[in-house]
Amino acid sequence: DAGITQSPRHKVTETGTPVTLRCHQTENHRYMYWYRQDPGHGLRLIHYSYGVKDTDKGEVSDGYSVSRSKTEDFLLTLESATSSQTSVYFCAISDSSNTEAFFGQGTRLTVV
Amino acid sequence: AQSVTQPDIHITVSEGASLELRCNYSYGATPYLFWYVQSPGQGLQLLLKYFSGDTLVQGIKGFEAEFKRSQSSFNLRKPSVHWSDAAEYFCAVALSGNTPLVFGKGTRLSVIA
Repeated sequence: DAGITQSPRHKVTETGTPVTLRCHQTENHRYMYWYRQDPGHGLRLIHYSYGVKDTDKGEVSDGYSVSRSKTEDFLLTLESATSSQTSVYFCAISDSSNTEAFFGQGTRLTVV
Repeated sequence: AQSVTQPDIHITVSEGASLELRCNYSYGATPYLFWYVQSPGQGLQLLLKYFSGDTLVQGIKGFEAEFKRSQSSFNLRKPSVHWSDAAEYFCAVALSGNTPLVFGKGTRLSVIA
């Protein structure tokens, strides 16, 4: 597996609380992505980064923010978690935007 | 809008039978094409990819896929399915330039004895 670590792997949180998920890579890849996976929807892009401090929105970015202050770390923040954000979140990395992406093991987030 | 379609939500095949999973895309140009597999509770693993050249590409675990420009398709095949192939399969595309992967909704494969 590529050197990608997601933390935490599981989290239960209450509605309205802030939550931050971390993705850490040891591959020095330029691109990092956050996807969410929900039954019947496949993987949908939340945000991505194409360099330190360079980020852009994906298909389902509402309610989420990201930060990338170092090449190796990409943080996903839910400012005020809602039940609709209960999902499995995957981080991915790639050398460039059109080569294969390598995925982390996922974070299962439950908002109650 | 650009999209990736996997028409089959769930497919069941017998062990030893052949398999074909369908993927169609709607993009103006030929995108970069990928197939990923996800076992239960796991992340995604790349099976194969197509960038250019030979339209029949070989991947890991005995899988292959064929790019057909005229049909905007990139179907995944395996001649003889093993029980361990039971998983969810995702087709994904990327355009040239600064665009991330776009995934289809996935096809869940069940394998019966």
